Amino acid sequence: DTEVTQTPKHLVMGMTNKKSLKCEQHMGHRAMYWYKQKAKKPPELMFVYSYEKLSINESVPSRFSPECPNSSLLNLHLHALQPEDSALYLCASSQANYGYTFGSGTRLTVV
Amino acid sequence: DAKTTQPNSMESNEEEPVHLPCNHSTISGTDYIHWYRQLPSQGPEYVIHGLTSNVNNRMASLAIAEDRKSSTLILHRATLRDAAVYYCILRDVQNAGNMLTFGGGTRLMVKP
Repeated sequence: DTEVTQTPKHLVMGMTNKKSLKCEQHMGHRAMYWYKQKAKKPPELMFVYSYEKLSINESVPSRFSPECPNSSLLNLHLHALQPEDSALYLCASSQANYGYTFGSGTRLTVV
Repeated sequence: DAKTTQPNSMESNEEEPVHLPCNHSTISGTDYIHWYRQLPSQGPEYVIHGLTSNVNNRMASLAIAEDRKSSTLILHRATLRDAAVYYCILRDVQNAGNMLTFGGGTRLMVKP
């Protein structure tokens, strides 16, 4: 298995909702990442997990809460989002200095 | 992190070679040059990487200048499926965080 799987592919949520994005990989990669990508812009790093521990938080607002339950899973919990948080959320994994493998992303719309 | 500079967009004809340039004049000795591409409605995918020598794989070739201040990604025969945004990224092998930081990239359009 050489893929990163993200669910759901599309999500529409209200500003008072709580939802979660899920990411899964079975390549044995020990680093996992969340990126946010607005339309026509490059991906921006949000969080880095290394060996299941949060190692980098790029000053992301607390309405985004990451979780790494085990070495294969990465979640992003969403609460009280704003319309400007609408974007493509990408998950990736990597091992040491090898290339990153990205999922296809979750396209999030906040209404 | 050292920065890269790429043209915003390029056009190519199908079945012709494409040379995508990248300038990285502040590259350090421990920076690897990575290329990723992002097809429409997909996540980025790894293309190729190198340190000093030119590199070839099934997807592309990477030509690195002798002073390492620039590099060129070469697609030998462009197809319509190669239309994507191509990102040139420097990664420091000594960076414990091992992060991938994207710049603006080059949007490649392939004409039939």
